[in-house]
Amino acid sequence: NAGVMQNPRHLVRRRGQEARLRCSPMKGHSHVYWYRQLPEEGLKFMVYLQKENIIDESGMPKERFSAEFPKEGPSILRIQQVVRGDSAAYFCASSRGLQETQYFGPGTRLLVL
Amino acid sequence: GENVEQHPSTLSVQEGDSAVIKCTYSDSASNYFPWYKQELGKRPQLIIDIRSNVGEKKDQRIAVTLNKTAKHFSLHITETQPEDSAVYFCAATPANTGNQFYFGTGTSLTVIP
Repeated sequence: NAGVMQNPRHLVRRRGQEARLRCSPMKGHSHVYWYRQLPEEGLKFMVYLQKENIIDESGMPKERFSAEFPKEGPSILRIQQVVRGDSAAYFCASSRGLQETQYFGPGTRLLVL
Repeated sequence: GENVEQHPSTLSVQEGDSAVIKCTYSDSASNYFPWYKQELGKRPQLIIDIRSNVGEKKDQRIAVTLNKTAKHFSLHITETQPEDSAVYFCAATPANTGNQFYFGTGTSLTVIP
């Protein structure tokens, strides 16, 4: 049973470009979460999704960031017009249900030049 | 919303000694408390968790205690080994706000051989 998968593992973008981060949850998991981790800092919640629905996006910046979890395929975190401050590790996690253990993917390390 | 504080931020112990990391939370509705270990450049991995209907849980050298009245919970690692060196994060999740995990700021543990 494969764990949570994320790709790419590393992503380099220039200011103003778009970044697309993908996350495939563990088999049998229908809840997906995205977290951002700045260097030497903790994990900050961004968004929580179930299939085709955004449940909680209270941690997502109001502009340039969006997330989706379509019926088929991985969850996507999209950052438009990236700025240097977007450089961070973005982790995806998944769980089987509410109030259940969240398992993390290996993360995508985004570097904005 | 929930606020999780974690202490200490750094901790050094001699191999074989015990390590204790403490977290406090603010929302009395929180009822699930996982602990994650993150090695440098790796994903956070669940090491132990506890629910609010239990006061203590143990798994080999790792134990977690929960004091609901005082709203704090602690991670105890006994007989520490160099491979225990990592950053440890506590988290809390309130039952009434969906599924978001609120993370502490992390404790960098170094076990000196």
